[in-house]
Amino acid sequence: GAVVSQHPSRVICKSGTSVKIECRSLDFQATTMFWYRQFPKQSLMLMATSNEGSKATYEQGVEKDKFLINHASLTLSTLTVTSAHPEDSSFYICSARQTGTPHVFGPGTRLTVL
Amino acid sequence: GNSVTQMEGPVTLSEEAFLTINCTYTATGYPSLFWYVQYPGEGLQLLLKATKADDKGSNKGFEATYRKETTSFHLEKGSVQVSDSAVYFCALNSSASKIIFGSGTRLSIRP
Repeated sequence: GAVVSQHPSRVICKSGTSVKIECRSLDFQATTMFWYRQFPKQSLMLMATSNEGSKATYEQGVEKDKFLINHASLTLSTLTVTSAHPEDSSFYICSARQTGTPHVFGPGTRLTVL
Repeated sequence: GNSVTQMEGPVTLSEEAFLTINCTYTATGYPSLFWYVQYPGEGLQLLLKATKADDKGSNKGFEATYRKETTSFHLEKGSVQVSDSAVYFCALNSSASKIIFGSGTRLSIRP
């Protein structure tokens, strides 16, 4: 079946640094990828939707300059958390899909900002 | 706008008990409905889905029926196991292809 991977699975960084998270569709071409964040014991909140080769569409309240999303190919999207602060610590999850097919979710990346 | 409301947890049951986790939705049009499961330390997995009214999704002994008249998609299992302990999310797929999740219900099964 379709598989989506994320790298890294865990990352710890110092406040003020930037962190890049990769999301890859391993055996299919993802026309659309989605980025979510999940705080402890809470639901997934959609951050942005990205289509290959175009700018991401951010949900209301998500800072596009802080959470940079690049979807440069049909199998890779990256989320860069710029100038990370402790309040950015969260579980970041991506999903990917081809048109008309179900979303496939990645395993998530746990970000801890010290 | 579109939204999903699900039963708050945590829910604790004994092994072999009957499980129901309630889920209702608000949506324009005819969304697809899903139940996702998140096991401890893992990512989301699709448990089951239904794409139109009166459809029943089923998997691993879990079932849910798309009820348009009550805008509900309740999750049921006749006999739960310890391995079913996880967080369960009800969700819908909006017309913009976004998935909107409920708040999640943490289920713990006692041996």
